Amino acid sequence: AQKVTQAQTEISVVEKEDVTLDCVYETRDTTYYLFWYKQPPSGELVFLIRRNSFDEQNEISGRYSWNFQKSTSSFNFTITASQVVDSAVYFCALSDAPISNFGNEKLTFGTGTRLTIIP
Amino acid sequence: DARVTQTPRHKVTEMGQEVTMRCQPILGHNTVFWYRQTMMQGLELLAYFRNRAPLDDSGMPKDRFSAEMPDATLATLKIQPSEPRDSAVYFCASAPRGVTGTEAFFGQGTRLTVV
Repeated sequence: AQKVTQAQTEISVVEKEDVTLDCVYETRDTTYYLFWYKQPPSGELVFLIRRNSFDEQNEISGRYSWNFQKSTSSFNFTITASQVVDSAVYFCALSDAPISNFGNEKLTFGTGTRLTIIP
Repeated sequence: DARVTQTPRHKVTEMGQEVTMRCQPILGHNTVFWYRQTMMQGLELLAYFRNRAPLDDSGMPKDRFSAEMPDATLATLKIQPSEPRDSAVYFCASAPRGVTGTEAFFGQGTRLTVV
């Protein structure tokens, strides 16, 4: 069975600090996809990144970066120079989709980390 | 911008009443998901369809919930009879299959309150 663990329930940091959100996953599949979604106070789910199990390269997008390590089954998310607009609940998710389907199968979500950026 | 549209956005109903939630997936997306979000259980999959056929509805209480896709532009989730424990936010998402560079898009959700 698949499982995603986000051990940090809530994190608060002062604006401009860096913050890392942890995600640990479990799966028996060799092919899978990992995702991060953001849920701002307005409630919608916003896609941030998708990664397949064969691509362990770290990724950077502006102030966001992701560290994927298969050896520790982790897919951590770092926000540098945090801003108040980053305040949200962040979900890590896992999909056991075949590579040919680019992860577009059902998602198993973690319980989320509520991030509060203090001005 | 293409988006998944869910109606209604909010619904308050009395216990025992029937509730129908609707979802219009993004045109061309052939996979549709229903998720439920509660404080206790978090985000959990209820059901999903591909090309209008159900692929997995194991997360859905069968005695009171039903999910259908009458056509490619409409997915419905029905609860009959509703119970207070069904109070949650219900999200619909749609995705294409086998198309690179795309991912599942979520609607804004239907917030259901059963009193």
